[in-house]
Amino acid sequence: EAQVTQNPRYLITVTGKKLTVTCSQNMNHEYMSWYRQDPGLGLRQIYYSMNVEVTDKGDVPEGYKVSRKEKRNFPLILESPSPNQTSLYFCASTMGGRDTEAFFGQGTRLTVV
Amino acid sequence: SQKIEQNSEALNIQEGKTATLTCNYTNYSPAYLQWYRQDPGRGPVFLLLIRENEKEKRKERLKVTFDTTLKQSLFHITASQPADSATYLCALRGMDSSYKLIFGSGTRLLVRP
Repeated sequence: EAQVTQNPRYLITVTGKKLTVTCSQNMNHEYMSWYRQDPGLGLRQIYYSMNVEVTDKGDVPEGYKVSRKEKRNFPLILESPSPNQTSLYFCASTMGGRDTEAFFGQGTRLTVV
Repeated sequence: SQKIEQNSEALNIQEGKTATLTCNYTNYSPAYLQWYRQDPGRGPVFLLLIRENEKEKRKERLKVTFDTTLKQSLFHITASQPADSATYLCALRGMDSSYKLIFGSGTRLLVRP
């Protein structure tokens, strides 16, 4: 089954404690991205990757890092989480091209206290 | 800057009626427009893509129209069912090389039995 898998689904952490949210896709997609979703603000792109070892900032990259060492994996790293990073996070992948659909993971609800 | 607007107020309709949701965009000339469904706490799921040279696209009970002159897309669900209750997101791909999907904030649909 084609899917994007994120882990964990829920995470509560304390300010400053480094964390990683994993994302894996099994569709051999070249393009992957991370979004955060906040009430009233909709989905905003954090980082994206167009291929292995190629990553770039989205609209709200501050406080986040990513890596793309393998095509299937695209982890999101918060080196020093802060309460304003409390949000619902989604990983997405697509084949690339403007007429292709995006496949989303099931989401990670992060709370930073 | 590119902007997508969807009605932030929930649409509340009776089962069996047709639901019509609106997506307006500005400062943009997209070649493709996409619609997604999102259930609470879950990732968006792709529904339909319509191209600029297609005035209308159908899939089962769903119909999407795309008016590039008005810069508007309408999303219709005919014979609506309570199971159609969800938030529906309109999305466009950015014109830069990032292939970024820009989402509207979504319209929540509630179908009463």
